[in-house]
Amino acid sequence: AQSVAQPEDQVNVAEGNPLTVKCTYSVSGNPYLFWYVQYPNRGLQFLLKYITGDNLVKGSYGFEAEFNKSQTSFHLKKPSALVSDSALYFCAVRDSGNDMRFGAGTRLTVKP
Amino acid sequence: EPEVTQTPSHQVTQMGQEVILRCVPISNHLYFYWYRQILGQKVEFLVSFYNNEISEKSEIFDDQFSVERPDGSNFTLKIRSTKLEDSAMYFCASSGPSGSPFTYEQYFGPGTRLTVT
Repeated sequence: AQSVAQPEDQVNVAEGNPLTVKCTYSVSGNPYLFWYVQYPNRGLQFLLKYITGDNLVKGSYGFEAEFNKSQTSFHLKKPSALVSDSALYFCAVRDSGNDMRFGAGTRLTVKP
Repeated sequence: EPEVTQTPSHQVTQMGQEVILRCVPISNHLYFYWYRQILGQKVEFLVSFYNNEISEKSEIFDDQFSVERPDGSNFTLKIRSTKLEDSAMYFCASSGPSGSPFTYEQYFGPGTRLTVT
């Protein structure tokens, strides 16, 4: 069965600095990896995904993520953080099954 | 832009009562899902639904839960006899107009907050 880990409950960065939100995964087959963001009292919004091809994927709002097969990681990155990026970020993984497994979430706080 | 909608936004019910949570997925999507999230924590998969039947379900989705697509637009989650621990935010999601469901991102509704007293 697939699983995903987000090792940091909380990430704090200053506005304008680069940010990284970490994610590692475990699957038995080929991984399909996703990042979602959740703002307060809202549903999850899709940011980006890795299915195949280029290891660096670009998504919404200037976010990108790098798939690293040897390290089984899919870290979310942004070169310059904004205060408005403050939210809860979830990494998710699927393999050949239909269900998607989410990580526990990382709360990103960007301070002015 | 099309979006998933859910009603009601907040449902309060007494323990032992039945509740039905309603969702309208994106119109050309074929795969439907329910998730729950307790107190802004981990998002937990409940069930996936395709071609008018359950395709996968988690250990959380026991006999108290059922899903239905009663018409061409609605997708419902029923909890027959609610327990205190069913209190959570319930999210509906849909994906994929066709083809492999594994590669499609899922689009989530705003959620229904269920409070069981």
